[in-house]
Amino acid sequence: DGGITQSPKYLFRKEGQNVTLSCEQNLNHDAMYWYRQDPGQGLRLIYYSQIVNDFQKGDIAEGYSVSREKKESFPLTVTSAQKNPTAFYLCASSINRNYEQYFGPGTRLTVT
Amino acid sequence: AQTVTQSQPEMSVQEAETVTLSCTYDTSESDYYLFWYKQPPSRQMILVIRQEAYKQQNATENRFSVNFQKAAKSFSLKISDSQLGDAAMYFCAYRSKFYFGSGTKLNVKP
Repeated sequence: DGGITQSPKYLFRKEGQNVTLSCEQNLNHDAMYWYRQDPGQGLRLIYYSQIVNDFQKGDIAEGYSVSREKKESFPLTVTSAQKNPTAFYLCASSINRNYEQYFGPGTRLTVT
Repeated sequence: AQTVTQSQPEMSVQEAETVTLSCTYDTSESDYYLFWYKQPPSRQMILVIRQEAYKQQNATENRFSVNFQKAAKSFSLKISDSQLGDAAMYFCAYRSKFYFGSGTKLNVKP
């Protein structure tokens, strides 16, 4: 089945540790995205990538890093520089930037 | 700057009735896309409907339709014959940038 997978569903880390969230898609989409969702708020764009080996910062990129070495994969690293990392993280992909996005199930990250 | 505003944090509708969710946006662009997404308690984001700004005809998907008023920068979602499964958070989204509204929680009463 085609779709987007994110793992794990729940992730716990100690403050000061970097953590990498996985996102894989087999939809053959060129564009991939990372969003952060906080309670009672909409989605805010962290990073996006329109093609392999290229990515752009979104509105809240500070404290995060990404890579796009393969079309299918767009991992997000939450670094220790991110001041408030506890949140729900959603990965998405689309044919290109103007088409609808398809979302993964999300990863709930808790940092204590 | 582009922003998306959903002015109704929460709404309720009786099963089988019709409800309209509001969305306004601010943009200086003439070519863009608008979307409504649904997020049920599972938190999986699901596309409900899409509208291209260059199209005057309002998009429709079964029980879901939009009222797109380009001059007014308004993009409301109408849900007809509401069902219990429609209960969710609904987000309006603007593209060519990647902006989402803050969401409207829809409750459906049996």
